[in-house]
Amino acid sequence: QSALTQPASVSGSPGQSITVSCTGTGGDIGSYGHVSWYQQHPGKAPKLIIFDVSNRPLGVSHRFYGSKSGNTASLTISGLQTEDEADYYCISLTTSTSHYVLGTGTKVTVL
Amino acid sequence: QVQLVQSGAEVRKPGASVKVSCRASGYTFSVYGVGWARQAPGQGLEWMGWISAYNGNINYAEKFQDRVTLTIDTSTSTAYMELRNLRSDDTAFYYCARDANHRFDYWGQGTLVPVSS
Repeated sequence: QSALTQPASVSGSPGQSITVSCTGTGGDIGSYGHVSWYQQHPGKAPKLIIFDVSNRPLGVSHRFYGSKSGNTASLTISGLQTEDEADYYCISLTTSTSHYVLGTGTKVTVL
Repeated sequence: QVQLVQSGAEVRKPGASVKVSCRASGYTFSVYGVGWARQAPGQGLEWMGWISAYNGNINYAEKFQDRVTLTIDTSTSTAYMELRNLRSDDTAFYYCARDANHRFDYWGQGTLVPVSS
C-alpha cells in the first residue's frame, strides 16, 4: 500500500487561500468518505482538523474546508494566518490490509 | 477528559526491541480502535498499524508487518506497540491515536526511541 500523494510544500500570503491536495486510488479515497486531515506544528502531536472529508471538529476554525472528487481529497485554508504555518497530513480508510493509509505530508508556509 | 499518555523515551541498540505503551483515560477504551504512526527526525508521519480494542482485530502496514506487534490490555486501558530487530533508521517519535469512527481525534504525546550503538 503506497502512501497518499501530497505536494511537499504550499505557500501563500496572509489573507490568501491555499489548497492542499491528497491523491490516492480507487481502493482508498475513491471508495470511502472517511478522509481526515491533521495539522502538526513542530515538536507537537498531530491535531485533527477535518474528518469524513468535510466535517470540522468542535473548535476548529471555519477557515479550514475539506472536499473530495474521485480519488483526490483537498484541504482549503482561507484567510491564511501565520498560525496556519505547519505540516498537514491526510489519512484515508483503505481496502488494503493496512486498514488506513497516510499522506506524504505538506508543509504550509505563510509568506 | 480524553487523554492518551505514552511511556517515556527509550534508548535502544541495533538489533534490540522496544515496547511503547499508550494508556488511555476519560473514555470507554473497549469501544474504540488505536492507531500507531511514527515520525523520524525532520521527516513525515509514517503509518504503522491499527488495533481494535473492541474485538482485537489488527492491521499492519506492509512495511512493518514482520517486525511489529500491536496488543491491548483492556483491564488497564493500555495499548502497546512492540518493534523488533531495531535499526538506526527506526529512530523516531512513535505516536498512538484514538480511532473514533475513522477519525484520529486524540493523540498521545509521542515517545522518542533513539537507536544507536
